[in-house]
Amino acid sequence: NAGVTQTPKFRVLKTGQSMTLLCAQDMNHEYMYWYRQDPGMGLRLIHYSVGEGTTAKGEVPDGYNVSRLKKQNFLLGLESAAPSQTSVYFCASSYGGLNNEQFFGPGTRLTVL
Amino acid sequence: DQQVKQNSPSLSVQEGRISILNCDYTNSMFDYFLWYKKYPAEGPTFLISISSIKDKNEDGRFTVFLNKSAKHLSLHIVPSQPGDSAVYFCAASARRVSSARQLTFGSGTQLTVLP
Repeated sequence: NAGVTQTPKFRVLKTGQSMTLLCAQDMNHEYMYWYRQDPGMGLRLIHYSVGEGTTAKGEVPDGYNVSRLKKQNFLLGLESAAPSQTSVYFCASSYGGLNNEQFFGPGTRLTVL
Repeated sequence: DQQVKQNSPSLSVQEGRISILNCDYTNSMFDYFLWYKKYPAEGPTFLISISSIKDKNEDGRFTVFLNKSAKHLSLHIVPSQPGDSAVYFCAASARRVSSARQLTFGSGTQLTVLP
């Protein structure tokens, strides 16, 4: 099993460009999440999904959109990238439930110039 | 306002000794706590967790202690090994009325175990 995979691993964008980050999981998890990690700030939740066809906002959703058309995939979109969106993005998935143990992908390092 | 705080950005420990990583929280609604370990260029991996109804949970060399009255938890690693060198994140979860459970993460502590 591959677990949680993310595509691409690295990307450089110019301000105003758009892109989509893809997350895929093969563990049949219902819940999926997108986080960003910035220096000294830990991981902050951008958006999440509790099942196919559902999405919800997290702590820092502005400037991002998401879609969950298939259970195994969760897409994160940046419509008009800004330098403040330079970060490392992590996708995670889980069964949900009390302990909410989440399984993380390897991350995507995004730089916006 | 950070609800989960890890006040020590870094910690160095000699191999074979005990590592103690600390975490404080402010939200009294948190009822589940987790520790994640992260190596460079990898995603975080789950290490150990504890429910608020317990004050201690052990898994091999790793023990997590929870002091609810002080809103404080700690992760003990005994004995520490060079392979334990990583960033450790504390995370907390609360039941929410109108949305799914979410994890709130601390800023992390870089542990370096010296040979």
